[in-house]
Amino acid sequence: DGGITQSPKYLFRKEGQNVTLSCEQNLNHDAMYWYRQDPGQGLRLIYYSQIVNDFQKGDIAEGYSVSREKKESFPLTVTSAQKNPTAFYLCASSAQGGDEKLFFGSGTQLSVL
Amino acid sequence: GESVGLHLPTLSVQEGDNSIINCAYSNSASDYFIWYKQESGKGPQFIIDIRSNMDKRQGQRVTVLLNKTVKHLSLQIAATQPGDSAVYFCAEKYSGYSTLTFGKGTMLLVSP
Repeated sequence: DGGITQSPKYLFRKEGQNVTLSCEQNLNHDAMYWYRQDPGQGLRLIYYSQIVNDFQKGDIAEGYSVSREKKESFPLTVTSAQKNPTAFYLCASSAQGGDEKLFFGSGTQLSVL
Repeated sequence: GESVGLHLPTLSVQEGDNSIINCAYSNSASDYFIWYKQESGKGPQFIIDIRSNMDKRQGQRVTVLLNKTVKHLSLQIAATQPGDSAVYFCAEKYSGYSTLTFGKGTMLLVSP
C-alpha cells in the first residue's frame, strides 16, 4: 500500500526535552510538508521541502527543526524552544513542489507532561 | 475562559438532506482551490478541487462552486450520510506561491 506513515500516533514531551516526529512516504513524491493543527483551527505550515537536502520555513517555524536526507523521510524535531508544543502534527507530501494536491498522514498528537 | 477559536462553525443536517458548506477565501490572486475532509483523530482526505478558470466541478455526490466575484467557495454534498460527519477544510493557492493556505474548517454533523 502506498502512503504516508507518521509515528508515533501519541507522544509526550517533558519540560526542556527535544522530541522527533517521524514521517515516511513511499509515494515517490518529491515534496514533503509539516503542518500544525490546534483545536478548532486550520492547518498552519511549519516547514516544507521540495527536494532532498533542501527545505524552507513555513509560517510558524520557530522552535522546530527538520532534515531531508532521504526522499522518503522528513522528520520534524520539536525543540525545547517551542513553548507551546501541544498540538496535532500532520505530515503531507505532493508529487512535486508547487503541486497543489497534498496527501496527508494520519497525524501525531503531541502533549506536554 | 474559552477562546472563540475553539468553536468551529457547525452545520447539522439530517441523513438524506443536501449539505452546503461555505468558505470565503482571502486572495483574489488565488488560482487553485481544494476541499479536504478530516475525521476525528485522522489526517485530511482529498475530496475535490477546482481551478480559477472554472465555476463548477462535480464529483461523486459532491459539487464545488466557485464565485470569484465575491471570493466565495462552496462544497455541496448530495444525500448526506452519517459517514460524511467530519470537519471540512477549504484551502487556496496563490498564483506563483508554492504552498496551500487552509481555512479554519466547518464541522458537519449528520444525524440518522
